[in-house]
Parts: sequence; structure tokens; C-alpha cells
Amino acid sequence: QQPVQSPQAVILREGEDAVINCSSSKALYSVHWYRQKHGEAPVFLMILLKGGEQKGHEKISASFNEKKQQSSLYLTASQLSYSGTYFCGTPNAGGTSYGKLTFGQGTILTVHP
Amino acid sequence: NAGVTQTPKFRILKIGQSMTLQCAQDMNHNYMYWYRQDPGMGLKLIYYSVGAGITDKGEVPNGYNVSRSTTEDFPLRLELAAPSQTSVYFCASSRRTGGVPSGNTIYFGEGSWLTVV
Repeated sequence: QQPVQSPQAVILREGEDAVINCSSSKALYSVHWYRQKHGEAPVFLMILLKGGEQKGHEKISASFNEKKQQSSLYLTASQLSYSGTYFCGTPNAGGTSYGKLTFGQGTILTVHP
Repeated sequence: NAGVTQTPKFRILKIGQSMTLQCAQDMNHNYMYWYRQDPGMGLKLIYYSVGAGITDKGEVPNGYNVSRSTTEDFPLRLELAAPSQTSVYFCASSRRTGGVPSGNTIYFGEGSWLTVV
């Protein structure tokens, strides 16, 4: 089943913060985050594994709460380069996923000067 | 390394025509995938492969076929193109993990924009 992302879209001014959420109705082993610029391929940001760890990529960090079956992506002091569509992806539970991910519908982030 | 390479980048097909989207990776990845992305939507898995000679259906396989004769190549065949197949197609790959369902980093090609008219 497809994870659900919220919000669908966010508009920010440079320097503002944003949070993007990803929720699943099934048990999660991990959550992956990707960013896609308009007209380009999705690019990997980070993987969050079971254990509630938090990771960071420059001023972008994420948390994963497997009990709540959700992950959040935190964008701090946003830059123009953060604009794009953010996707969370989750592997199939209950066995070998062969790396397959089911992606959320995406959150469009727009950062203005 | 080139990573994941897809061709063609753009193509216009007439209804009923067939074509093959080519995909090659040079990272020696076992796993390869084809996703499609409709405007404003997320990525849907069409087919995937866990190694040469082994392929399986994803979420939206109807109207497509794949083959995997080598580790490097994973072409996607569209038979009898329909307007519903107008989309952006992404080929991707990842390395084998030994069965742990945590997933790996997926590396995407640059995409192939297909329009069926």
C-alpha cells in the first residue's frame, strides 16, 4: 500500500523551516527519502532504519518512528536549492523486498527568495 | 561511472505502435526496476528484476514486457501503445542486500518522456 504524505504542497521563503510527513498503514522496516527537481530523476537523500534513528543531510534531517509507522523530514533554514518534490518510499514488509519501494504521492516544496 | 543510462530521452508514438526503452547500468547491481510517473503523481513500479534471467511484475505491468539477459541491461517493451501509457519512465537499480527488507539506495536514470498520440 502506498504511504501517505502530508502536506501535498509547501511554499516557503528562504530561511524558513518545513516538515514533511510520511505515514503508512503497514509495519515499516525502513523509510527512504528522495528529492526530485522538475524534469529530473529522483535523487536519494537518506534511509531511516528501524530503531527511531535520526539522520541528517546538510540542513535536512529526518526521523522514523516505527511504532507509529511514520517518518518526518525536517528542512531547516531552507535554501532556493531545496525546491522540488519530495517522496518517501517504503519497502514491502513481511519478507524480502528485493529493494523495491512503494512511493508516496510526493510533496511539492517551493522556496522563494 | 555512468550509473543508469536510459534511451531515448523523448519519444512520440502513435496508438498501436510498439517500442523498446533501453536501460543499462554499470554499477554491477543485481536489482533493476522500471517505474512510471504520471504528471503530478508518485512513482509506480512496472516490473523489476533480481538478476539476469529473473523478472517479475510490479504494481502496473499491463501493456509492458521486460527481459533481463545480462546483469547490465533491462529493456522495457511497450506493445500496442495506448494514450494511457503517456508518462515518464524511470529505470533504476540497486545492489543486492541478502534479503533484509530494509531496502537499499535506488539509483535512477534520467528518465524517458513518452507521449502516445
